[in-house]
Amino acid sequence: DVKVTQSSRYLVKRTGEKVFLECVQDMDHENMFWYRQDPGLGLRLIYFSYDVKMKEKGDIPEGYSVSREKKERFSLILESASTNQTSMYLCASSYIYEQYFGPGTRLTVT
Amino acid sequence: GENVEQHPSTLSVQEGDSAVIKCTYSDSASNYFPWYKQELGKRPQLIIDIRSNVGEKKDQRIAVTLNKTAKHFSLHITETQPEDSAVYFCAASKENNDMRFGAGTRLTVKP
Repeated sequence: DVKVTQSSRYLVKRTGEKVFLECVQDMDHENMFWYRQDPGLGLRLIYFSYDVKMKEKGDIPEGYSVSREKKERFSLILESASTNQTSMYLCASSYIYEQYFGPGTRLTVT
Repeated sequence: GENVEQHPSTLSVQEGDSAVIKCTYSDSASNYFPWYKQELGKRPQLIIDIRSNVGEKKDQRIAVTLNKTAKHFSLHITETQPEDSAVYFCAASKENNDMRFGAGTRLTVKP
């Protein structure tokens, strides 16, 4: 079974803080993704990566950056958290097509 | 880039009835169309998918149809049960796995 884990289920941060969300997959998948999920907006792609040290912008990259130093780990970074980044963040990985999701991190920025 | 639209946003049916959710996509190069189910508090999970060389695919009570000319695809659930209640997402992707999701449909099956 593919396992995708995320570092926290719930996180509360203050405006202006630097926030790290980590995602780890154990199936040697090439592709990894970060989405945010908001009611009525579905899953919106923030960034994705096809390989180590490689990254591509998704539809809403502003205010975020990513890091992929190892194949199994993909980190999402909020350089200076803002209240409009309060959301559910989902990580996913895939080999070819099917994406496997992590449990999500509910981030609240106050 | 790809844009996926999904309708309806909410759907309520009686147990045993059928449910249909429809999606349209914009990029004619997309060739993979999955459907994910997300139960309350859980992660999205793939329930069925279809590739562009196939017009229809069925798995027990779930079926997906694809019309490439019109760029739309649909999820059909027959004989609905209360455990089918969830949010369903459609998505479209090209071979490079650059996947885009619809906004989701909240399905409620009333006993």
